[in-house]
Amino acid sequence: QKEVEQDPGPLSVPEGAIVSLNCTYSNSAFQYFMWYRQYSRKGPELLMYTYSSGNKEDGRFTAQVDKSSKYISLFIRDSQPSDSATYLCATVTGNQFYFGTGTSLTVIP
Amino acid sequence: DAGITQSPRHKVTETGTPVTLRCHQTENHRYMYWYRQDPGHGLRLIHYSYGVKDTDKGEVSDGYSVSRSKTEDFLLTLESATSSQTSVYFCAISEGTGGMYSPLHFGNGTRLTVT
Repeated sequence: QKEVEQDPGPLSVPEGAIVSLNCTYSNSAFQYFMWYRQYSRKGPELLMYTYSSGNKEDGRFTAQVDKSSKYISLFIRDSQPSDSATYLCATVTGNQFYFGTGTSLTVIP
Repeated sequence: DAGITQSPRHKVTETGTPVTLRCHQTENHRYMYWYRQDPGHGLRLIHYSYGVKDTDKGEVSDGYSVSRSKTEDFLLTLESATSSQTSVYFCAISEGTGGMYSPLHFGNGTRLTVT
């Protein structure tokens, strides 16, 4: 079983929609969870990270962790065409990082 | 952008030739990583370094070697390139704070094609 599993999509939504991106993880000892955004032909860039359970909000983005179900989510409100990218969830233990395979998102104007 | 430069950005090489990819950082971060990214597999760790001359293997290290003679440079060598090593290679760095969270920052990748 992989440490992090992510639905690859692709996901296509109209501009202004609320987007929900989801991952599950296997090890209950994981405490830090990250979301990276990757534009085409670029490296992943850190979007948000959360520690343990709960929500973290940054502008139109909300990251949520549910440790009881080992589920992590990223919500994007009022989605924009510039949000079109691949989103990767990740977690870390020590200095070993584990990534989901990424969900491709297209926001249609 | 984090101060990470990968070179070359694109390379086409023939099967059986050695290839070296370079990662240069200006952040003075302790940890440096090499990942490959392939459709359906996501990011997979090849090798990483936790200091000058200190390296360790990742999950897909066969056919690859690394060297780190200076804090700022981390080299990835494909000893004898094969078509299965056609991929996009990303270097990443982390400050590494001994168990506390330290984010991973990526370069913009090297697109390698082995013909």
